[in-house]
Amino acid sequence: AQSVTQPDIHITVSEGASLELRCNYSYGATPYLFWYVQSPGQGLQLLLKYFSGDTLVQGIKGFEAEFKRSQSSFNLRKPSVHWSDAAEYFCAVVLPTGNNRKLIWGLGTSLAVNP
Amino acid sequence: EAQVTQNPRYLITVTGKKLTVTCSQNMNHEYMSWYRQDPGLGLRQIYYSMNVEVTDKGDVPEGYKVSRKEKRNFPLILESPSPNQTSLYFCASSLNQGEDTQYFGPGTRLTVL
Repeated sequence: AQSVTQPDIHITVSEGASLELRCNYSYGATPYLFWYVQSPGQGLQLLLKYFSGDTLVQGIKGFEAEFKRSQSSFNLRKPSVHWSDAAEYFCAVVLPTGNNRKLIWGLGTSLAVNP
Repeated sequence: EAQVTQNPRYLITVTGKKLTVTCSQNMNHEYMSWYRQDPGLGLRQIYYSMNVEVTDKGDVPEGYKVSRKEKRNFPLILESPSPNQTSLYFCASSLNQGEDTQYFGPGTRLTVL
């Protein structure tokens, strides 16, 4: 079945440490790929997206993600986490065909940051 | 400021009492949608609209109605709310469809007793 998987439900890191959040998808074709962040009490905000081209994409707030076709993955990274990065992170995909090209969401990874 | 607004932000109601959650965007976006967010279930699309007067069901439309009479507004209507509709609701808009950046409202936390 077509799906988006975020294997880690919850991650805790120390401030200043590096971060990697995993995302895998299961589709026949390469979808469009997204990471959104939901800060506490707020709506979701786009961090970055990948459609084609350079497989390493830069986003806002110092985040980057790398698309690996062979692994069907689109992992999110940040070299040094700040306390304000504590939030829920969602990976999502869109199949580039069809009438309703809607986002298919992963279940999210909750990030806690220790001081 | 470009934004999506939702009202109310919080609502406690009782079973069967009709309610409407409003959603408005000021970015002239064509595509709007409603999601509900539940623990362990992530975000699920309720309804979407590709343009004025064009709406369609998402993944979990049962118990909900929407309308799109104007481009900027996309209200979510619960004709007879039930406790299983207790959830956090988000409205989102984008220029076209899902591949465009989605702009989310701040959310409406609904409790149905």
